[in-house]
Amino acid sequence: GAVVSQHPSWVICKSGTSVKIECRSLDFQATTMFWYRQFPKQSLMLMATSNEGSKATYEQGVEKDKFLINHASLTLSTLTVTSAHPEDSSFYICSARLQGSEGYTFGSGTRLTVV
Amino acid sequence: GQQLNQSPQSMFIQEGEDVSMNCTSSSIFNTWLWYKQDPGEGPVLLIALYKAGELTSNGRLTAQFGITRKDSFLNISASIPSDVGIYFCAGQLFPNSGYALNFGKGTSLLVTP
Repeated sequence: GAVVSQHPSWVICKSGTSVKIECRSLDFQATTMFWYRQFPKQSLMLMATSNEGSKATYEQGVEKDKFLINHASLTLSTLTVTSAHPEDSSFYICSARLQGSEGYTFGSGTRLTVV
Repeated sequence: GQQLNQSPQSMFIQEGEDVSMNCTSSSIFNTWLWYKQDPGEGPVLLIALYKAGELTSNGRLTAQFGITRKDSFLNISASIPSDVGIYFCAGQLFPNSGYALNFGKGTSLLVTP
């Protein structure tokens, strides 16, 4: 089946630094990718929707200058957390919508800890 | 996003028991999906429902898409320890539109041997 490879699976960074998370669709092209954030014991909250070759659409309350999303190709989307702070510590998950279908597949997530 | 009300919030059962959880919404969804998430992992699709009234099974799992398109349930029969995890319902408002999924708050399932 369709697989989304997400890296890194976990990262620890110092406050004020930037972290990039990558999601790659393997063996299929993803015109649309979604980025979610999940705090402990909570549900997945949509942060933004990225479409290949265009600007991402951010959900209300999500700072676009802090969470930079790039979807430069049909197989790669990246989320960069800029000037990270401890409150950005969370589990970030990407998801890709399969072209021509209503199916969604999820990456394995990235645990970000900002110290 | 649209609110999905998922219940129960958690369940603690013995191996072999059946489990039932459900989701309701004030909005009509075109697609209902049920996912399972293990700790530190992304959600994995269990069952997808596309038609109102549809009843679909996947092994010991059975899910139904409510006739009003505003609710869905997931049943797990004869639970086993590996069923432990968090189960999420998710709804999509429009098919093939690029709209993201709306997730319920999850049902945490614990199964004792």
